[in-house]
Amino acid sequence: EVQLVQSGAEVKKPGESLRISCKDSGYTFTTYWISWVRQMPGQGLEWMGKIDPTDSDTNYGPSFQGHVTFSVDKSTNTAYLQWSNLKASDTAMYYCAREGGITMVRGTIKYYMDVWGQGTAVTVSS
Amino acid sequence: QSVLTQPPSASGTPGQRVTISCSGSSSNIGSNPVTWYQQLPGTAPKLLVSTDNQRPSGVPDRFSGSKSGTSASLAISGLQSEDEADYYCAAWDDSLNGRVFGTGTKVTVL
Repeated sequence: EVQLVQSGAEVKKPGESLRISCKDSGYTFTTYWISWVRQMPGQGLEWMGKIDPTDSDTNYGPSFQGHVTFSVDKSTNTAYLQWSNLKASDTAMYYCAREGGITMVRGTIKYYMDVWGQGTAVTVSS
Repeated sequence: QSVLTQPPSASGTPGQRVTISCSGSSSNIGSNPVTWYQQLPGTAPKLLVSTDNQRPSGVPDRFSGSKSGTSASLAISGLQSEDEADYYCAAWDDSLNGRVFGTGTKVTVL
């Protein structure tokens, strides 16, 4: 069974740095991009961006460009989301998701998120 | 901010049919597949319906998706208490070069 297992909840202070992880099991890690999704308390889902585990190519959502960094470690099949200067507004649940669903649209391959991690809660408070 | 618009809530009694709409534009729903996700309380989202109307294995056939132009819909027939959840549509947006989600719809079983 394909699974994405995320690291545990974090409590940090403003200005601190943080890296959370998303480890795959059950499939070839480099086959599919990994997306990150934010869900602020009581709010909806926001796509943060994605990373290609093959070559670490990234595509950041406009609201997140410059605020977070995606990375991968192919040796451990793990994707990371990191902050260098946390703010209280970063308090949220963060999900990773595999872009493993595939369909064809007018001869072009399209991907969608099919498997999700269980989420990592990040709390930033002084 | 969400680019796809959904009604904030929907409800029905057990056994009823409930439909959730998702309104977008030519750059997202109009030209890309739509996926629907179910988020049960306190859990991660789960893929419910993919590529407009394909269900992953394990998802009951009570759930069905459709698309017309720049709008999509999710229908839940034979509503059950375990269907109480938040539902989100999503699609790739060619203009934004990114994925966009709907605003989310909370389904309540009366």
